[in-house]
Amino acid sequence: AQKVTQAQTEISVVEKEDVTLDCVYETRDTTYYLFWYKQPPSGELVFLIRRNSFDEQNEISGRYSWNFQKSTSSFNFTITASQVVDSAVYFCALSTQTGANNLFFGTGTRLTVIP
Amino acid sequence: DVKVTQSSRYLVKRTGEKVFLECVQDMDHENMFWYRQDPGLGLRLIYFSYDVKMKEKGDIPEGYSVSREKKERFSLILESASTNQTSMYLCASITRSPNTEAFFGQGTRLTVV
Repeated sequence: AQKVTQAQTEISVVEKEDVTLDCVYETRDTTYYLFWYKQPPSGELVFLIRRNSFDEQNEISGRYSWNFQKSTSSFNFTITASQVVDSAVYFCALSTQTGANNLFFGTGTRLTVIP
Repeated sequence: DVKVTQSSRYLVKRTGEKVFLECVQDMDHENMFWYRQDPGLGLRLIYFSYDVKMKEKGDIPEGYSVSREKKERFSLILESASTNQTSMYLCASITRSPNTEAFFGQGTRLTVV
């Protein structure tokens, strides 16, 4: 079975602080894909990143970085020097071959950046 | 630019009404999905479709049905709306290749009174 756990329900930080959003996944598939989506107050989910299970290289994109560790089944997301515009709900998701390419979502983490 | 468009942003319906939520995508994606989003529960899959006239149940299909008569359109139907179906509904489309992301519509916030 596929499962994604985002243990942090809500996080508040002061602007310019760094913040890490945790994501732990479960799957028996050897080939799978991990995603992060951002949902701003407008409601539409915005794709941030995709990682496949064979690529454990960490990625940095501007103020965003992702740490993929297969040993701990984690795919954590760090925002450096947070800004008010980063306030949103962030979802981690998993897609597997036996899951027929469906996206299994975590329950989301609401991030509030306080000016 | 991929576009997934949901017909309504906000909808208020009465208990017992038949409700149609429409979703259209313009990228010729094979797979389309309907999710329901509730606080603390994340996104839960209601139904998905791999092709025209094909449909599969997701995790919470009870009380819902779907229709996919054309590749670009995937409709979610509440046969007899109930108050526990008050929620945010999100449509997504994705290519069949697993190495891609899903694109989402803007969501429909449905209130059943």
